[in-house]
Amino acid sequence: EVHLVESGGGLVKPGGSLRLSCAASGFIFSSYNMNWVRQAPGKGLEWVSSISSSGSFIYYADSLKGRFTISRDNAKNSLYLQMNNLRAEDTALYYCATGHWGEDWGQGTLVTVSS
Amino acid sequence: EIVLTQSPDTLSLSPGERATLSCRASQSVSSYLAWYQQKPGQAPRLLIYDASNRATGIPARFSGSGSGTDFTLTISSLEPEDFAVYYCQQRSDWRTFGQGTKLELK
Repeated sequence: EVHLVESGGGLVKPGGSLRLSCAASGFIFSSYNMNWVRQAPGKGLEWVSSISSSGSFIYYADSLKGRFTISRDNAKNSLYLQMNNLRAEDTALYYCATGHWGEDWGQGTLVTVSS
Repeated sequence: EIVLTQSPDTLSLSPGERATLSCRASQSVSSYLAWYQQKPGQAPRLLIYDASNRATGIPARFSGSGSGTDFTLTISSLEPEDFAVYYCQQRSDWRTFGQGTKLELK
């Protein structure tokens, strides 16, 4: 059974940084594209970033303007999202999800950006 | 950016009824469209991918159709557990979601 556990969220001041992690188990992590998707409180879904199985191909939403960096460690079955220069509008529940379509999702980690 | 517009925003139906949800793209996405279900406090669940393929474990009452710019998610006979928010999503050009349709109990 696929299991994805996000961590690293919390309260951070505007301009601050956080590093999110997603620990994966129950599938061959190194064979799958991985993604970060976020959902602001009471709002809809926004695809944040994707990384290919080897890490060679990386994509970001235009709205992030270079502030976020996705990475993965296939030896540790882990996905990461480094978030810098955080803004209030980055406040959201951040999910990791597998594959091209988001076949499996974690339960999310909450990021709150507030002074 | 491809904009997906879902209709209606809210759909009020009763168990046993048929639900028809629509998603329109601002430009063609071919068949690169998916549907997700999200219940309160839960992560989204993939229902349909590539416009008409059911994801693993999804009941046959869920079906998807369409191509190009107009897509439909149909739930043939609503079960109590189907009342939730439904999102469409494209991956033809990056990835964007529709705003969601809330399927509520009448």
